[in-house]
Amino acid sequence: ETGVTQTPRHLVMGMTNKKSLKCEQHLGHNAMYWYKQSAKKPLELMFVYSLEERVENNSVPSRFSPECPNSSHLFLHLHTLQPEDSALYLCASSQRAGGGGNTIYFGEGSWLTVV
Amino acid sequence: GQNIDQPTEMTATEGAIVQINCTYQTSGFNGLFWYQQHAGEAPTFLSYNVLDGLEEKGRFSSFLSRSKGYSYLLLKELQMKDSASYLCAVMDSNYQLIWGAGTKLIIKP
Repeated sequence: ETGVTQTPRHLVMGMTNKKSLKCEQHLGHNAMYWYKQSAKKPLELMFVYSLEERVENNSVPSRFSPECPNSSHLFLHLHTLQPEDSALYLCASSQRAGGGGNTIYFGEGSWLTVV
Repeated sequence: GQNIDQPTEMTATEGAIVQINCTYQTSGFNGLFWYQQHAGEAPTFLSYNVLDGLEEKGRFSSFLSRSKGYSYLLLKELQMKDSASYLCAVMDSNYQLIWGAGTKLIIKP
């Protein structure tokens, strides 16, 4: 139990579907993140939210749409995805969005397969 | 560009010692992190180094040399449960985390 929970753990969707990934953190943190993890590649930062405000968007395609209704919840809305979007999507949180020694805590991830 | 290099895969024997190296070239440095990730699970925090030297935590130690852009994670008395991927990440001058691709460690009996 890392204090960051993600649902669903596994998702298979067609290219025309719309689905959402959900993340909840129970650590009282002020920053939340979405990362993409593909096999044998470094973690790719997608979005960063600090106190529910998006502070970073790393040139992510618009078919990925984040939503942060409060500092404990984060969503990733998915629509018209491509097969190359199949990956492990990790949610994470930290005390703040920047600063030295800012340790990030990850959820267990949502395995996404686009068919 | 910014770059983190670590070996793709390593194999070691139960009870032995293994050292996983990480070299980095980043714009600035605000600390280096090591994470452990078991297959299908969340990456979990292992260590943070911001000053040169060795930090020891039980069977795991992490070393940093800022002048050489180099770190290693040392695992002693290896156990089968240590089979996992180990991720190295450096925080740059903008406090952005730059990640390595991870080292898959296989422990054999």
